[in-house]
Amino acid sequence: TQLLEQSPQFLSIQEGENLTVYCNSSSVFSSLQWYRQEPGEGPVLLVTVVTGGEVKKLKRLTFQFGDARKDSSLHITAAQTGDTGLYLCAGARWNYGQNFVFGPGTRLSVLP
Amino acid sequence: NAGVTQTPKFRVLKTGQSMTLLCAQDMNHEYMYWYRQDPGMGLRLIHYSVGEGTTAKGEVPDGYNVSRLKKQNFLLGLESAAPSQTSVYFCASTIQGVRTYEQYFGPGTRLTVT
Repeated sequence: TQLLEQSPQFLSIQEGENLTVYCNSSSVFSSLQWYRQEPGEGPVLLVTVVTGGEVKKLKRLTFQFGDARKDSSLHITAAQTGDTGLYLCAGARWNYGQNFVFGPGTRLSVLP
Repeated sequence: NAGVTQTPKFRVLKTGQSMTLLCAQDMNHEYMYWYRQDPGMGLRLIHYSVGEGTTAKGEVPDGYNVSRLKKQNFLLGLESAAPSQTSVYFCASTIQGVRTYEQYFGPGTRLTVT
């Protein structure tokens, strides 16, 4: 059973389009991280959200943490081919053993 | 400052063989993790360590053992490899006391068991 669900699983869009991907759980997390992973490499942290309702912006990427700290969304404005990759969300379960649980990921392809 | 390094990068094993994967970090992080990544399943936690000399089981620990004899190193062992352990293995570390809990990942080890 996946503690964190991500949707959609795959997404293929044209350059310049907007998109939103979602990360959902029935569990509450201490914080939630978003990572991007390129083929053949390890995940690289994009952002961490900690407070319920928090919104963070990283250039064209907007991240939101749900009020109840169970879900999150990543919105990309005017996608570029360089945004192509696997987007992973991870919840920190710091009160239950100082570890993390990952979602299965959203594989994004941005076509020129 | 190399961050998190993993050796080897690739390995092919036959069923029943053993091997050890090495993870090293130079950031003085307390916490270290071993994950495996399989298609469509994200990263699953195998074992982790909250400090030198301590280890704990994660979500999928069966068939693996770990040791953290030095703070900077975290070893993952496969005593008798099975085809189901074919995967990409990632090591990560994070620092104690920082609420953001940011993980830094190594480049991965691609293991094939035939």
